[in-house]
Amino acid sequence: DAGITQSPRHKVTETGTPVTLRCHQTENHRYMYWYRQDPGHGLRLIHYSYGVKDTDKGEVSDGYSVSRSKTEDFLLTLESATSSQTSVYFCAIRGAGTDTQYFGPGTRLTVL
Amino acid sequence: SQQGEEDPQALSIQEGENATMNCSYKTSINNLQWYRQNSGRGLVHLILIRSNEREKHSGRLRVTLDTSKKSSSLLITASRAADTASYFCATLSNNAGNMLTFGGGTRLMVKP
Repeated sequence: DAGITQSPRHKVTETGTPVTLRCHQTENHRYMYWYRQDPGHGLRLIHYSYGVKDTDKGEVSDGYSVSRSKTEDFLLTLESATSSQTSVYFCAIRGAGTDTQYFGPGTRLTVL
Repeated sequence: SQQGEEDPQALSIQEGENATMNCSYKTSINNLQWYRQNSGRGLVHLILIRSNEREKHSGRLRVTLDTSKKSSSLLITASRAADTASYFCATLSNNAGNMLTFGGGTRLMVKP
């Protein structure tokens, strides 16, 4: 898993509540990514980061925000969760000097 | 929108047979990658082929790339029950920074 952990691994929450997912890496990789995976859609990029405090939007960024105050942590926040944000969320890092990405184990989020 | 589209969506074969999965994409690319995902787990990188390469091998995996047709194929030879997983192609486009775009995946089942 290239030293990538995600927390929590499972979460059930209610519509309208804020939710923060954490991705932690131990190898000082510059690039980090948040994806969501839904049946029939593969993985879709939400946001990514190319350094501390440097982030950019992906394909499906509406309703999500991110922060990266330290190299090792990349946080994904749902300010007010909706049922359409029920999904499995994956964090990934980009290996140094390569285009290959390494994925964390995922967080299954259910919004009721 | 998905850059890569896998075909077939699902494939069931007997152990020992070969499995072929195809991926089509829409825009010019820098490279194309194949990933594997076991049920409930994160994605694992299998192989990367660059736009100036036509074929690449890694163990029992063979990947081809036809940039004129904007398509790629992944061949797994002498399949094993342990190859049962979902397989995704992902493209790195020339104008997309460092973002990968994933297809919807092929679910492969290898029966013992």
